[in-house]
Amino acid sequence: EAGVTQFPSHSVIEKGQTVTLRCDPISGHDNLYWYRRVMGKEIKFLLHFVKESKQDESGMPNNRFLAERTGGTYSTLKVQPAELEDSGVYFCASSYRGRNQETQYFGPGTRLLVL
Amino acid sequence: DAKTTQPPSMDCAEGRAANLPCNHSTISGNEYVYWYRQIHSQGPQYIIHGLKNNETNEMASLIITEDRKSSTLILPHATLRDTAVYYCIVDRLWGGADGLTFGKGTHLIIQP
Repeated sequence: EAGVTQFPSHSVIEKGQTVTLRCDPISGHDNLYWYRRVMGKEIKFLLHFVKESKQDESGMPNNRFLAERTGGTYSTLKVQPAELEDSGVYFCASSYRGRNQETQYFGPGTRLLVL
Repeated sequence: DAKTTQPPSMDCAEGRAANLPCNHSTISGNEYVYWYRQIHSQGPQYIIHGLKNNETNEMASLIITEDRKSSTLILPHATLRDTAVYYCIVDRLWGGADGLTFGKGTHLIIQP
């Protein structure tokens, strides 16, 4: 069974540009999460989807970040316009939605560098 | 803020058991103890979780104290590939599972 996949693995962009990150969860997982780690900091939760609905986006840093999950399958996280402080590693995780089954499994991450 | 406290780093000799402690004195009755690890340049990897009973799987064992205020992750025969940052996290397992709260974790270094 394929795990969580993320694309691209690396992205280097200039300040002010737009970047879109993609996450493909494990098949059948209704829960999808985005996290990020910025340099020197801990991994922080950004938001949580249940199917196509945003369940909790309390961790989104500001309105330059837009996450979508149309159709309840893959998700995208768009940063527009990117700022220097957005540099870091963005992780996606997914989990099955059901009693005693919601362990989160993480993808390898997308390393974003804003110059 | 993380609800757990872990030592920042530990060393362990290859082939020996690695015992990683975690304090979670404010854990709620409906919260589980999860362990994840992050090997350099990879995403966090799920290891094991438990509520109040000791648990074992192919990767590790989890020992939870009777009062549930602390736990220990045991890697029975550590290898060099177990060098990683290990995170102890408390979270509800069900009922709108939230985003996980990662702390600083324990950097475990396996020495040859």
